[in-house]
Amino acid sequence: SAVISQKPSRDICQRGTSLTIQCQVDSQVTMMFWYRQQPGQSLTLIATANQGSEATYESGFVIDKFPISRPNLTFSTLTVSNMSPEDSSIYLCSVGQGGRVASSRGEQYFGPGTRLTVT
Amino acid sequence: AQKVTQAQTEISVVEKEDVTLDCVYETRDTTYYLFWYKQPPSGELVFLIRRNSFDEQNEISGRYSWNFQKSTSSFNFTITASQVVDSAVYFCALSEAKTSGSRLTFGEGTQLTVNP
Repeated sequence: SAVISQKPSRDICQRGTSLTIQCQVDSQVTMMFWYRQQPGQSLTLIATANQGSEATYESGFVIDKFPISRPNLTFSTLTVSNMSPEDSSIYLCSVGQGGRVASSRGEQYFGPGTRLTVT
Repeated sequence: AQKVTQAQTEISVVEKEDVTLDCVYETRDTTYYLFWYKQPPSGELVFLIRRNSFDEQNEISGRYSWNFQKSTSSFNFTITASQVVDSAVYFCALSEAKTSGSRLTFGEGTQLTVNP
């Protein structure tokens, strides 16, 4: 399994500012995913990040608001820009584990999440 | 489009009771994966199980068991002899079957409370 860390684990930010969340994986992975979980809600995919290409955003999410970087196969960042209280959520990084071992195909692991509160 | 429905928003049981969490899914894919995750109050998502669409064999892991029925598009999760530590939100999820990983479609989650 992949071990994923996220920084920061939590933050309280002022309206109008930006926060960059880092996601580090202990092995090389092809695809990384960023999810948002608003209070009391389920998880919603923000975007898919492949190394060396632009991130693919889901409906309702735009690059200007959630720019993503994927500089290599073990690291990604998500920035929440010009924050408002509606952005208060848990943001989770996830990786898919490909590979030659059949049992590892389709595995999806999640980081511990970043709890963001916007005041 | 993929969809996952967890009709039970909240379930409350007394310790040692058995409890089943329902999950119904929709997909046009012939090959796909189904997942269950546990989210305790700490917020971290804990992977419980992944099931391939072509493998309908039920699975048991300790007090946990899963019943996958393709004919009814259901993937139910049963906890036997529940414990207080089982209290959490449980999510059922669905993904395409890609070897490099794929986006997950989550259900709305079921809040399970196990009372002593």
